[in-house]
Amino acid sequence: EVQLVESGGGLVKAGGSLRLSCAVSGLTFSNTWLSWVRQAPGKGLEWVGRIKPKAEGGAADYAAPGKGRFTVSRDDSKTTVYLQMNSLTTEDTAVYYCTTGKAAAYFDHWGLGTLVTVSS
Amino acid sequence: DIQMTQSPSTLSASVGDRVTITCRASQSISNWLAWYQQKPGKAPELLMYKASTLESGVPSRFSGSGSVTEFTLTISSLQPDDFATYYCQQYNSYPYTFGQGTKLEIK
Repeated sequence: EVQLVESGGGLVKAGGSLRLSCAVSGLTFSNTWLSWVRQAPGKGLEWVGRIKPKAEGGAADYAAPGKGRFTVSRDDSKTTVYLQMNSLTTEDTAVYYCTTGKAAAYFDHWGLGTLVTVSS
Repeated sequence: DIQMTQSPSTLSASVGDRVTITCRASQSISNWLAWYQQKPGKAPELLMYKASTLESGVPSRFSGSGSVTEFTLTISSLQPDDFATYYCQQYNSYPYTFGQGTKLEIK
């Protein structure tokens, strides 16, 4: 059974940083594309970014709101993916989900999410 | 960025009804479209990908159609478990984008 478990969310002041982690099990992590998707309170879903497997270059791509501020990385030895978020604003307040899917195109497995609250 | 627009935003229906949700893309996405169901306080669940391919384990009362810029999700006979919010998502090009959601309510 595929499981994704996010951690690291919490309350942070605007301008601060936070690193989210997502521990993945039940699949061949090294071959897996991984994405982060967020959902602001009462709002819809927003793709944040994704990272390729190292065998495919290991590059990450980002949506505009996170470019230059967010970094997605992976540690295949720990089967964990990370989302480093810097210069946070109140607009970044959301539940952050870790997801996987075929080439991270669509998302067939989701974690439960971790709430990030940015206060002004 | 490709904009995804769903209609309606809210849909009131009864158990047993046939309902259709529409998703329109601002430019061609071929058939690179997925549908998700989300219940309050839960993560979304994949229903469909490639516009009309049912994810394993999803009931056959769900079906999808469409291509290029217009897509539909149909539930043939609503069950109590189907009352939720539905999202479409394009994966034709980055950044991947979602529709704003359609909330399916009990009439």
